Amino acid sequence: GAGVSQSPSNKVTEKGKDVELRCDPISGHTALYWYRQSLGQGLEFLIYFQGNSAPDKSGLPSDRFSAERTGGSVSTLTIQRTQQEDSAVYLCASKLTGRNQPQHFGDGTRLSIL
Amino acid sequence: KNEVEQSPQNLTAQEGEFITINCSYSVGISALHWLQQHPGGGIVSLFMLSSGKKKHGRLIATINIQEKHSSLHITASHPRDSAVYICAATSYSGGGADGLTFGKGTHLIIQP
Repeated sequence: GAGVSQSPSNKVTEKGKDVELRCDPISGHTALYWYRQSLGQGLEFLIYFQGNSAPDKSGLPSDRFSAERTGGSVSTLTIQRTQQEDSAVYLCASKLTGRNQPQHFGDGTRLSIL
Repeated sequence: KNEVEQSPQNLTAQEGEFITINCSYSVGISALHWLQQHPGGGIVSLFMLSSGKKKHGRLIATINIQEKHSSLHITASHPRDSAVYICAATSYSGGGADGLTFGKGTHLIIQP
């Protein structure tokens, strides 16, 4: 079946512009996560959605970052007034409810800020 | 200090060698994950375990809860095993409820 789909796969933009990244989770997966992987760094948690509950935004690095999940399915991660340090691969993952369900990752969006 | 530590950071071996990657964690966990990331960024979940040992093909993952340590082994390694292997913990203090806390990864190269 279809996996987690992210778009675009690559995005190059100028510093100061806003960007929007999209994630289509696996159908039926109630939990959705955004992670960031900067060059030479490990993965870091950004934000978590579970069903209709309020999202856990504890990993967002600044107020320039926000995310929405509409209808419990598709999610968009928005970065306003991008900075060069925002350059990274942004990964989305989804999973079924349950602490020990595995996460399924998308291929990521590679964001480059010029 | 990262709550999940991996070693080695980089590993180069010859085809056929037995490979071991280690992971230590300092948080209470409900599950330990091993992930594989190939060049190009796609991440695949290899194992999720909370006790004992799991095997899938040439890959074996073990965990010792008392010692807070896990290992990933690859038997009869092959160049196609070349990838970054990431240890991650579903911890009681990790980001996003069931979110993962990641190690920095082990970059494995298997030479023919």
